[in-house]
Amino acid sequence: GEDVEQSLFLSVREGDSSVINCTYTDSSSTYLYWYKQEPGAGLQLLTYIFSNMDMKQDQRLTVLLNKKDKHLSLRIADTQTGDSAIYFCAEGRNDYKLSFGAGTTVTVRA
Amino acid sequence: KAGVTQTPRYLIKTRGQQVTLSCSPISGHRSVSWYQQTPGQGLQFLFEYFSETQRNKGNFPGRFSGRQFSNSRSEMNVSTLELGDSALYLCASSLAGTGMNEQYFGPGTRLTVT
Repeated sequence: GEDVEQSLFLSVREGDSSVINCTYTDSSSTYLYWYKQEPGAGLQLLTYIFSNMDMKQDQRLTVLLNKKDKHLSLRIADTQTGDSAIYFCAEGRNDYKLSFGAGTTVTVRA
Repeated sequence: KAGVTQTPRYLIKTRGQQVTLSCSPISGHRSVSWYQQTPGQGLQFLFEYFSETQRNKGNFPGRFSGRQFSNSRSEMNVSTLELGDSALYLCASSLAGTGMNEQYFGPGTRLTVT
């Protein structure tokens, strides 16, 4: 299967941490990705994790992978107004394509 | 290093016409993928090219086609346009597209079919 699922909306107060969750179904996934899309723009690659890793940290971003439960999360520390966007989780295999979730709209309120 | 570029950025066409979209990958990248983004269906994979060969194709009708040139630039063509083809078409490039499938996206071409 190729289904990737994400919650659709997240509202967070400025300065707090945001956690966006994603589940995937294909156990043959090799890499899992997080992309950010701002209005009118393309997709910006934020970070990725190889399927044999549990965690990856990159500045304010922390990715956690639970391969047993096929669960991926993205934590954004000290969320800022510029973090308001749609965040996509995607899984990739060795078939040269990415399968995307529906996207989580993150709204940062003052 | 310049990013992925797509032309044109915006396009308005009439039902029944055809359209060609262009994508220039990041220098050195040999893999180019195309995705369609709509509010209803989200991001859907169209096809992927590497060294002028199509290696994978998504579940789209034959009206959607593509090609890649020797300089890795790619074009996609949609013939006999339908209203439902209105979408943001995104192109992505990567070094090789295999395994470490780190793909960088362009800004997209917004196609409106009337």
